[in-house]
Amino acid sequence: RKEVEQDPGPFNVPEGATVAFNCTYSNSASQSFFWYRQDCRKEPKLLMSVYSSGNEDGRFTAQLNRASQYISLLIRDSKLSDSATYLCVVNPEYGSSNTGKLIFGQGTTLQVKP
Amino acid sequence: NAGVTQTPKFQVLKTGQSMTLQCAQDMNHNSMYWYRQDPGMGLRLIYYSASEGTTDKGEVPNGYNVSRLNKREFSLRLESAAPSQTSVYFCASSGRAEQYFGPGTRLTVT
Repeated sequence: RKEVEQDPGPFNVPEGATVAFNCTYSNSASQSFFWYRQDCRKEPKLLMSVYSSGNEDGRFTAQLNRASQYISLLIRDSKLSDSATYLCVVNPEYGSSNTGKLIFGQGTTLQVKP
Repeated sequence: NAGVTQTPKFQVLKTGQSMTLQCAQDMNHNSMYWYRQDPGMGLRLIYYSASEGTTDKGEVPNGYNVSRLNKREFSLRLESAAPSQTSVYFCASSGRAEQYFGPGTRLTVT
């Protein structure tokens, strides 16, 4: 089983649609969770951290379910500029053994169409 | 602030040649990382440096060496390039939890 699993997609949606991505992780001790965005042939960029209580940043909402080891990203009112690959990222280490290493999912591709 | 910078942006090598990829960050981060990204494989960690003066292997270290020259700089060396090392290489740095990436080096080995 992969440490971080995502549906690769692609998700093709019309502008204005709401789309949700899911991700599961295997290490129940994981402490930190993130969503990164990666545009074609560019570097990954931090989209948002994911907190236990869930968090929202404009049209983007991230949720964490520790019991199910599941992370989600919801994008409302999709824009053409949201077209990218979204990477689910987990830090599986904690405490004094935390070296900051992150485990990246393979990414989910989103294509927003006019 | 430049963030994380990488040189070169593109490189073509012949099998057996050597080269060093350079990375520098100006965010005063303690930790730095080297990844490679191949189609369908996602990002894979090659080496990392949790602090100045320390380096450790990641998931795919074979064929690579690294040097943490100082707090700002972390270089990746290919001693004898192989076609299997054709990839996009990203450097990243981290101060706390999240990592920040450089623009990448696209390397082709023929």
